[in-house]
Amino acid sequence: EDQVTQSPEALRLQEGESSSLNCSYTVSGLRGLFWYRQDPGKGPEFLFTLYSAGEEKEKERLKATLTKKESFLHITAPKPEDSATYLCAVQARGGAQKLVFGQGTRLTINP
Amino acid sequence: ETGVTQSPTHLIKTRGQQVTLRCSSQSGHNTVSWYQQALGQGPQFIFQYYREEENGRGNFPPRFSGLQFPNYSSELNVNALELDDSALYLCASSLVSGGAGEQYFGPGTRLTVT
Repeated sequence: EDQVTQSPEALRLQEGESSSLNCSYTVSGLRGLFWYRQDPGKGPEFLFTLYSAGEEKEKERLKATLTKKESFLHITAPKPEDSATYLCAVQARGGAQKLVFGQGTRLTINP
Repeated sequence: ETGVTQSPTHLIKTRGQQVTLRCSSQSGHNTVSWYQQALGQGPQFIFQYYREEENGRGNFPPRFSGLQFPNYSSELNVNALELDDSALYLCASSLVSGGAGEQYFGPGTRLTVT
């Protein structure tokens, strides 16, 4: 069964303090790994898709990396507006293109 | 380009009642997926529709059913509501084209069952 585990569950940083969020996964043939940002009471907002080990993608202060067992979301010099829950999801090859999500990491950036 | 929209925003129902939630896909997308998100949890896959047919289903009972229309909009129907059905229901649209299709989510419908 495909599974995603995110750590830590919650993370509190000071503005400008860089850190990383972890996403460990097991999947029967990876089609893609996705990162989303979710603000309270809203739908997830797409950030990145990673397809194969060694791939990296960047957007503003965020950088996502992928290995065969885990993905990291690196946040460099975060600002208070980066506060949100970050969700990781995998999509397996074959069948429906369903997403299997982790429980998320709740990130708070204090000014 | 119009994003994914969902209606209603909030809904309060009584246990045993039936509910219909609606979703309009992003322009150009041919697939819609529905997810249930309990408070503090990640979204759970309910089912997916592609070209008006169910294309996969998660671990949800048959009282959860859906439809996709020719314009790719969709409905989620839940019969015999239970208290545990209280959650944020998310619709996501995507373009199935062989590779990993990014799914774009709507704002969700918050369902409360009392």
